[in-house]
Amino acid sequence: GENVEQHPSTLSVQEGDSAVIKCTYSDSASNYFPWYKQELGKGPQLIIDIRSNVGEKKDQRIAVTLNKTAKHFSLHITETQPEDSAVYFCAASFGNQFYFGTGTSLTVIP
Amino acid sequence: SQTIHQWPATLVQPVGSPLSLECTVEGTSNPNLYWYRQAAGRGLQLLFYSVGIGQISSEVPQNLSASRPQDRQFILSSKKLLLSDSGFYLCAWSAVAGGNQPQHFGDGTRLSIL
Repeated sequence: GENVEQHPSTLSVQEGDSAVIKCTYSDSASNYFPWYKQELGKGPQLIIDIRSNVGEKKDQRIAVTLNKTAKHFSLHITETQPEDSAVYFCAASFGNQFYFGTGTSLTVIP
Repeated sequence: SQTIHQWPATLVQPVGSPLSLECTVEGTSNPNLYWYRQAAGRGLQLLFYSVGIGQISSEVPQNLSASRPQDRQFILSSKKLLLSDSGFYLCAWSAVAGGNQPQHFGDGTRLSIL
């Protein structure tokens, strides 16, 4: 089955700096890659996603890149703000199946 | 718009007691439904998923079970809870629409077993 690895597990950045979270996947059949943000005590919320026919997608301060050949994808957050502090999860999907990374705890230091 | 509701938000149960967690989705029809468990500081473990009424697939053998009595209702149950059942339980839905659709999560149930 699919195996998704996510790095780093924890990340601290100064407010205003950029944050990058990286994920790799093993199954070349995976063709959909969502990213989720989870705040304490709440469920994960979708923040951005990318499909395998696209190499990059951007939504304001958030961007995701996908390298199908290398089987890795990354989340980029620019101009970080304290409210970006949360746990972020990547996922790889094919059909109805979703495989999640183990999460990155991001702390933005004011 | 679509919404997903889970209840209760928190639950404290003694070992050996039964469990029933409920999840309902509004604003969509025939969704795929999922139950996940999240241990503290760890990732999401898929427990069950359902593509239709009465259709349940189990990913991890354990003392939990799931049922889908109605199109937009998903229930997680146990006859006798174990200490290891403690955790954060999340329900999610996705549109069928040929795949490549995101999962949308509820706000979870924090279950503590004493």
